[in-house]
Amino acid sequence: QKEVEQNSGPLSVPEGAIASLNCTYSDRVSQSFFWYRQYSGKSPELIMSIYSNGDKEDGRFTAQLNKASQYVSLLIRDSQPSDSATYLCAVATGYSSASKIIFGSGTRLSIRP
Amino acid sequence: DAEITQSPRHKITETGRQVTLACHQTWNHNNMFWYRQDLGHGLRLIHYSYGVHDTNKGEVSDGYSVSRSNTEDLPLTLESAASSQTSVYFCASSDPSGRNGGYEQYFGPGTRLTVT
Repeated sequence: QKEVEQNSGPLSVPEGAIASLNCTYSDRVSQSFFWYRQYSGKSPELIMSIYSNGDKEDGRFTAQLNKASQYVSLLIRDSQPSDSATYLCAVATGYSSASKIIFGSGTRLSIRP
Repeated sequence: DAEITQSPRHKITETGRQVTLACHQTWNHNNMFWYRQDLGHGLRLIHYSYGVHDTNKGEVSDGYSVSRSNTEDLPLTLESAASSQTSVYFCASSDPSGRNGGYEQYFGPGTRLTVT
């Protein structure tokens, strides 16, 4: 079992709809969770961090965390063509600040006009 | 503005040659990381450093080495390049004293390496 799992997609969503991206992780002691966006040929860009159970909203993005189910998701409201990218889920293992981040393989999102 | 840069952006080399990829950050972050990204594998950690003179192996460290002589730079060396090391390489940094433990990593633009 991979430490961080994502559906590779592609996930196709019509413009203006809600895109829902999901991620599961295996390490129960994980405390910090991240979503990165990566455009084709570019480097990953941090877009959301979440550390507590529940929802965290930032503009059109909402991250949701359920530690009991070891599940983290990213919702993108009012999807725009510029949201078309690969979204990487990342999980920090352990408790100390020296923890490493484990990345999922990413979900490719395509917003169709 | 503070930033993280990588050079070269593109490199073609021959099997068996030694190659060094540079990473330089001006955020004064203690933590620095090297990843490779390949189709189907996502980002895999090669080496990482938590400060000057500190280096640690990641999950795919064989054939790679790093050294950290100052806070700003973490060069990645391929001792004897192999075709299996053809990949896109990303450097990242984080501030361990940052909010929430400073796990948030910020990436450089990447180096595309081709080994022929």
